[in-house]
Amino acid sequence: NAGVTQTPKFQVLKTGQSMTLQCAQDMNHNSMYWYRQDPGMGLRLIYYSASEGTTDKGEVPNGYNVSRLNKREFSLRLESAAPSQTSVYFCASSEYGGTGLPDTQYFGPGTRLTVL
Amino acid sequence: GNSVTQMEGPVTLSEEAFLTINCTYTATGYPSLFWYVQYPGEGLQLLLKATKADDKGSNKGFEATYRKETTSFHLEKGSVQVSDSAVYFCALRSENFNKFYFGSGTKLNVKP
Repeated sequence: NAGVTQTPKFQVLKTGQSMTLQCAQDMNHNSMYWYRQDPGMGLRLIYYSASEGTTDKGEVPNGYNVSRLNKREFSLRLESAAPSQTSVYFCASSEYGGTGLPDTQYFGPGTRLTVL
Repeated sequence: GNSVTQMEGPVTLSEEAFLTINCTYTATGYPSLFWYVQYPGEGLQLLLKATKADDKGSNKGFEATYRKETTSFHLEKGSVQVSDSAVYFCALRSENFNKFYFGSGTKLNVKP
């Protein structure tokens, strides 16, 4: 059982380049998320997808786009990378709890992105 | 709005010492509350959770009680081990929405 997988693990980009971060989960979860982690700031939500076919903005969506390709996969795209997007990016998926809302989140190992 | 505030780290303790990491939150209604742990080079993993007021979450010797009156969810452990060295995140999921909010994390160093 792989859980949540992310590719690549590391990436270095030049300012203005584009790239897509891939995420897949094999737990049949409906909800998926993209976060960025910066020193002293915890995790900040970029985008999330409550279910296949839907996406919504989080706290810091500017400069990013997402695609919920199917129930398993949720990708994050940087169209024109900037140094301010240097960060560690985590994908997560969530099962639903007894409240009918997302409960425990399961995280991937992260992608460390540097934009020069 | 929703937010989570954690005590700043790093926290350095000797093995077998008592641990408290403070967490307070701002939210409307009755959010669900979580503690996650992150070991070096890894993603976050759930440590414990509580979904309603006065619930106590517990796991691996860690405990936290959901206190609505003080809007707090402090993490405690009676006797820490070197293997508990990690970064700990407090988080909430708002009552009626699909979003999660995380604190800034507290790094714990346990010395032998």
